[in-house]
Amino acid sequence: EPEVTQTPSHQVTQMGQEVILRCVPISNHLYFYWYRQILGQKVEFLVSFYNNEISEKSEIFDDQFSVERPDGSNFTLKIRSTKLEDSAMYFCASSRDRDYEQYFGPGTRLTVT
Amino acid sequence: AQTVTQSQPEMSVQEAETVTLSCTYDTSESDYYLFWYKQPPSRQMILVIRQEAYKQQNATENRFSVNFQKAAKSFSLKISDSQLGDAAMYFCAYRPYSGAGSYQLTFGKGTKLSVIP
Repeated sequence: EPEVTQTPSHQVTQMGQEVILRCVPISNHLYFYWYRQILGQKVEFLVSFYNNEISEKSEIFDDQFSVERPDGSNFTLKIRSTKLEDSAMYFCASSRDRDYEQYFGPGTRLTVT
Repeated sequence: AQTVTQSQPEMSVQEAETVTLSCTYDTSESDYYLFWYKQPPSRQMILVIRQEAYKQQNATENRFSVNFQKAAKSFSLKISDSQLGDAAMYFCAYRPYSGAGSYQLTFGKGTKLSVIP
C-alpha cells in the first residue's frame, strides 16, 4: 500500500540555521500539507499546497517558512532561520483530492539547540 | 474558529472489552467532516474512521464505530473487542467542507489508550 515518506526521521540543528524537511507524498495525490506537533501539544496545521502554490496557511506559517515541490515527487518544508520554539514533530500529509482523506507520513523530529 | 476537545487524556481498557473515547467540537458550519486518527508508538497517524456531517447514519469500520450527535456537536469513538494493537494515541479531528475553501484538519489534544492484557 502506498505511503507518505519523510526524511530525515530526526534532525538536530542549531538556532539560526536553515533546515529543509523532505516528504514524498503518495504518487497520485494532488494536495499536500504540513502539520507540526510540539511535544505535549495538539497537532497544528501549517500549510496546504496544490497546483504548485500555497492554497492555505496558518498564522504559524510566517515568512521564515516556505514550501516547494521541486521535482514533481518531493515536497519540502524549509525553515529559514530556526528558533528554539520550532522544535517539534513535523508531519507531511497528502490527499488525492480536497475531499479525500489526508494520509500522514511518519514525521520528522526537529530539535533546535 | 473551530475547536476540538478531547476531555480524556488517558483511558485504559481490558483486552476484548469495549471502550468509548469522547470528542466534542465547536463550529458554525453546517457541512463538515469528522475523523478519528490513531497514532501508534511508531508515530505515523493512521485514519481510523470518517464521518460526513450530512449523513445521519453513524460510520462503522469493523470493530470501530462512532456515535455522531450533530446537535450536541459530539463525536465519540467506540472500539469493540479491544486488542493489544489498539493501544495508541487517538486524535479526533475536524475539517470543514471543501466548499468553504479550507482543507485543514483541526485536531484535539488526543487520548492515550492503553490495552490491558
